Parts: sequence; structure tokens; C-alpha cells
Amino acid sequence: ETGVTQTPRHLVMGMTNKKSLKCEQHLGHNAMYWYKQSAKKPLELMFVYSLEERVENNSVPSRFSPECPNSSHLFLHLHTLQPEDSALYLCASSQGRGGNYGYTFGSGTRLTVV
Amino acid sequence: TQLLEQSPQFLSIQEGENLTVYCNSSSVFSSLQWYRQEPGEGPVLLVTVVTGGEVKKLKRLTFQFGDARKDSSLHITAAQPGDTGLYLCARGGTSGSRLTFGEGTQLTVNP
Repeated sequence: ETGVTQTPRHLVMGMTNKKSLKCEQHLGHNAMYWYKQSAKKPLELMFVYSLEERVENNSVPSRFSPECPNSSHLFLHLHTLQPEDSALYLCASSQGRGGNYGYTFGSGTRLTVV
Repeated sequence: TQLLEQSPQFLSIQEGENLTVYCNSSSVFSSLQWYRQEPGEGPVLLVTVVTGGEVKKLKRLTFQFGDARKDSSLHITAAQPGDTGLYLCARGGTSGSRLTFGEGTQLTVNP
């Protein structure tokens, strides 16, 4: 049973829609992340939050808007997406920031933009 | 760019065989993690290695960190169908929270 829960598991949206992805962790971790996983490409880091503060925005288009209201919840708001944004979006958390801390991932949201 | 190269990209073997997959970089790692991702799920952490030459074992899985801390290998003994999945290596950044992932090795173990 994962300690990081993502909803929804699957999402199909039109290019003019607005939707949100939700991530929740019950591990007491201080850092949370959004990653994008596309076919034949490495996991791409999108955003990093540490203690509810955004500490990294990896040149992500503004049609993706993150929100971290508290240390247990992370959202990714989506609007006017493009078909190339179709991918698996993964949320992760870690106890601290730094490469020695393992990440706990959620099961992901499979997003299809039509 | 600090790239991680994983090889092979795809590997299909029969149950009971042994295999080794590799993770390489041109620059030194501060630490390295291995994950396994099953279809429809997120990656799950298997191990973290931080010391050059370090060897860690997890049941039938043996992880080795190169002496120069630029490469790592994962060896599976007597593979089982349950080992099927995408094996990802990830290097720790020298500062901050960034983990950089390789593209992964897709392993299929046939019964």
C-alpha cells in the first residue's frame, strides 16, 4: 500500500478544459514533487516543493500550475493543454531534500489530451 | 548535462536465468538509487548506494556501486516473472533535491 495517493488514476480532457490532479501523502515527508513520464523519455522533474514552498520550477509551461496548500497535499492545475502533454504524471515525496533520500511515488495519473 | 545511460534498454529472458543491467555516467555520483516500476504504477525504491565500491543485496538482487562512483550495476539471480518491470537508476544531485533519472531498462521474464 503506497503512502502517496494520486487521483484521478486516469483523465481524458479536451484542449480547452480545466482540470486538476491531486496528490496526498501521509508519510510526514517535507518535500513533494511532480514528474512527467513520457514514452521513451526519462522521468522529467516539473516542480519541487519543500515545506510548502516552491523551490524549483523546471521550465514548465504556464499551462501547468502547481499548488501546495500544506505539507501533505499537492495539486497540479491544468488548462489549455496540448496533445503532447499526454503522459503519466507522477507525484513523489521524500523526507528531506537531497539525493540520499529515497522518493516514494504515487501510482500516477494517466492523462490523455484530445 | 549530467546524463544517466542505462543498458540494455530492453531485456527479455526466461525464468531462472541470471541478468545484469547497467547505469553509467561521465560524471561522479553523490549517490545512486535504483527503482522498479511495474505497469500502471509508480516507481518503487529498491536501494540507495552512496559509497564507492559498495555492494548491497536484496534477496536475489545485488547492487554494486563502482569504485569511481560513475557507474552502477544491478544483478538478478534466477529471475522470476515477478521481476518483470522497468528498472530505473537515479543519481542524487550535489545540492538540493533534484534526482536525475535514466531512461530505464525494461525487463520481461517469461515463465
